[in-house]
Amino acid sequence: NAGVTQTPKFQVLKTGQSMTLQCAQDMNHNSMYWYRQDPGMGLRLIYYSASEGTTDKGEVPNGYNVSRLNKREFSLRLESAAPSQTSVYFCASSEDPWDGGYEQYFGPGTRLTVT
Amino acid sequence: AQSVAQPEDQVNVAEGNPLTVKCTYSVSGNPYLFWYVQYPNRGLQFLLKYITGDNLVKGSYGFEAEFNKSQTSFHLKKPSALVSDSALYFCAVSYNFNKFYFGSGTKLNVKP
Repeated sequence: NAGVTQTPKFQVLKTGQSMTLQCAQDMNHNSMYWYRQDPGMGLRLIYYSASEGTTDKGEVPNGYNVSRLNKREFSLRLESAAPSQTSVYFCASSEDPWDGGYEQYFGPGTRLTVT
Repeated sequence: AQSVAQPEDQVNVAEGNPLTVKCTYSVSGNPYLFWYVQYPNRGLQFLLKYITGDNLVKGSYGFEAEFNKSQTSFHLKKPSALVSDSALYFCAVSYNFNKFYFGSGTKLNVKP
């Protein structure tokens, strides 16, 4: 049981390049999330997916797109990277609250630097 | 705006002493409240949550938190701190399903 996995662990991009961050979970959770973590700002929600086939914007969606490929996988795409997107990106998943869960399980993160 | 505040960037405590990490939330409906811990270069790990019921919630590693609706607070506590508790702690709140708001984090330093 690997939990939540993310690839890659590290990435350096030049301004204007594109890339996709991959996330997968093996806990059969319906909900998945993408956050960015910046110093002194905690975690900010970029996008979330309440179920396979649905996605919704969070606090800071500009410059990002997401795909919920299936129940296990939720990817985050930067179409044209900017230095302001330098951050640590975390994927998470959770059960539905009516299933008794709702706490989130986080992946190990991706450190992205845009030069 | 729906948000959560952690007023202390850093908390210092001696090993064996009680610790408190503060969290307050803005009032809007019925909140779901969470505490997470982050060790260096790792993802966040769940500690405890308040959904409904008893205001005193017990979680992992001996931590507990009390939901105080009148003061809109959810402070994290531990009776006796360990050096291994040193980490970054985040409070989070959710009002609407799937939207979580995290505090800016509090660095806990436990000195031997």
